[in-house]
Amino acid sequence: DADVTQTPRNRITKTGKRIMLECSQTKGHDRMYWYRQDPGLGLRLIYYSFDVKDINKGEISDGYSVSRQAQAKFSLSLESAIPNQTALYFCATSRVGKETQYFGPGTRLLVL
Amino acid sequence: GESVGLHLPTLSVQEGDNSIINCAYSNSASDYFIWYKQESGKGPQFIIDIRSNMDKRQGQRVTVLLNKTVKHLSLQIAATQPGDSAVYFCAETLNTGNQFYFGTGTSLTVIP
Repeated sequence: DADVTQTPRNRITKTGKRIMLECSQTKGHDRMYWYRQDPGLGLRLIYYSFDVKDINKGEISDGYSVSRQAQAKFSLSLESAIPNQTALYFCATSRVGKETQYFGPGTRLLVL
Repeated sequence: GESVGLHLPTLSVQEGDNSIINCAYSNSASDYFIWYKQESGKGPQFIIDIRSNMDKRQGQRVTVLLNKTVKHLSLQIAATQPGDSAVYFCAETLNTGNQFYFGTGTSLTVIP
């Protein structure tokens, strides 16, 4: 969905490096989410935010942090990347009171 | 945590036939369900949703059936087309709008 963009689309990094994944949306939604997707597993929630001042841990937040810089921007950071964080990362948005989530195109991350 | 699973990881159908993709969920308190389609290299895309107070909902060429007795959800695609080839996920949530639990996905291949 072009209304939700993620940068970079692909990233290769080394163990121990700090990296940031960015998400921007033009849908005007208040709620934003970060998920990771691994082969054979469903999408798993890392963090979510219901508005700029609200940050909540999801199912697998260890090793990650987030920042909600504005309504339209939600970034995910790996402070010290490790190989088992190699995955496909998705950002999603939804409207308050509307549960449907709209996903970005994903960022493929490889940690060596 | 929640358990959302799919009976078959892969499904192949002839173009023009109907497709049925199944999903089992474990929590009888789940009250909202969504089907997503994920094409290669893209993020999940909303297809159709259903609330627990409904048994059936129809969209364009798609129908979702909910059987709360056996905690089963299905997606029916009529007159399957090559463009329907993708991975399909079901997702459930308890407290609408907070956290979703995703299935691992079924890969649908449409044979021309």
